[in-house]
Amino acid sequence: QQQVKQSPQSLIVQKGGISIINCAYENTAFDYFPWYQQFPGKGPALLIAIRPDVSEKKEGRFTISFNKSAKQFSLHIMDSQPGDSATYFCAARNTGNQFYFGTGTSLTVIP
Amino acid sequence: GAVVSQHPSWVICKSGTSVKIECRSLDFQATTMFWYRQFPKQSLMLMATSNEGSKATYEQGVEKDKFLINHASLTLSTLTVTSAHPEDSSFYICSARDASGSPYEQYFGPGTRLTVT
Repeated sequence: QQQVKQSPQSLIVQKGGISIINCAYENTAFDYFPWYQQFPGKGPALLIAIRPDVSEKKEGRFTISFNKSAKQFSLHIMDSQPGDSATYFCAARNTGNQFYFGTGTSLTVIP
Repeated sequence: GAVVSQHPSWVICKSGTSVKIECRSLDFQATTMFWYRQFPKQSLMLMATSNEGSKATYEQGVEKDKFLINHASLTLSTLTVTSAHPEDSSFYICSARDASGSPYEQYFGPGTRLTVT
């Protein structure tokens, strides 16, 4: 059972555009929602994260929007660059400190 | 800071043999480490949670006798794939939680590519 659902599966964006990736969850016990960036053959690296008591968090070009009532959260990448081309995973942490990942979004930024 | 290493980075073994993968936290102590499996172009699936000095907790559907996890110290956890078969070929990734850091963050290793022939 997929605890965190992620869309789209793949995304192509022009350089300078906005990339938007969405995630949804069911378990209300999740208390931490990170986004990870993964390049081929490498482990995931934490990009940005949010807790459910905050509706938005911004770090540089990356913004998380969180809707607790809808149990949805999204990643926005502003001014997308070719170097942002990677696979992005959303995740959710439960109180047992276990993380469950979305299915991933392959982002391609075209120069 | 917060660097996690894995060894080996890739391994090829014959069917029926066992393979050990090491996960080390290099600059912090990790009371908890996690092991994930990732198939090509798919998500990370949590296999087990490893706590230092105690038995690992396996996710539903993961064979604990096949995937042996040992967390003998605060900086080292090992995953042994016993009697490996081609279907065990995958990308195995560990992560670690800093015992003195945020309880929310985990730091990932670079992964180990296992190919069973």
